[in-house]
Amino acid sequence: EVHLVESGGDLVQPGGSLRLSCAASGFTFSTYWMHWVRQAPGQGLVGVSLTSRDGSTTHYADYVKGRFTVSRDNARNTLYLHMSSLRAEDTAVYYCARHNGVLDYWGQGTLVTVSS
Amino acid sequence: DIVMTQTPLSSPVALGQPASISCRSSQGLVHSDGNTYFSWLQQRPGQPPRLLIYQIFNRFPGVPDRFSGSGAGTDFTLKITRVEAEDVGVYYCMQSTQFPPTFGQGTKVEIK
Repeated sequence: EVHLVESGGDLVQPGGSLRLSCAASGFTFSTYWMHWVRQAPGQGLVGVSLTSRDGSTTHYADYVKGRFTVSRDNARNTLYLHMSSLRAEDTAVYYCARHNGVLDYWGQGTLVTVSS
Repeated sequence: DIVMTQTPLSSPVALGQPASISCRSSQGLVHSDGNTYFSWLQQRPGQPPRLLIYQIFNRFPGVPDRFSGSGAGTDFTLKITRVEAEDVGVYYCMQSTQFPPTFGQGTKVEIK
């Protein structure tokens, strides 16, 4: 059974940094591209980043370019999102999702709150 | 970015009655590989999104057959033949043909 478990969400001050993790199991992690998607409180879903199977190709939404970095460790079956220069508008639940043409499996999400 | 527009944004439905949600994309969604990466997601209260329908009309494993998808070009529809209590939640259309993936605003389905 495919399982994605995010962790690392926390309360952080504006301008601060945080690293999120997404632990994958139940499938061959290294053969799938992976997404990060976020959802601000009471709001809709917004794509954040996409990374290729080996992590060599990455895409970012304009509003996180230069501040967020996606990476992965295929030996540990883990996806990461390094977030820096955090702003109040980055407050959201962050989901990782498997890319299979569509986003077919989603984790339960981890909450990032940016506030002083 | 491709804009996805859903209607209605709210859908009160009596138990056992049908529901229908429409979604329009700002441009065609056919990928260079020939597939159309359009899907519908369900998000129950307090839960993460869950894939219901992929590539316009294919039900994801475990999805009840009361859910069906249709459409072509830039216009797509999700239908629920008979709404059940467990169907309450927000439904999103999304495209993953082009990065970034983009989502409709969401349609809240509630029991009348």
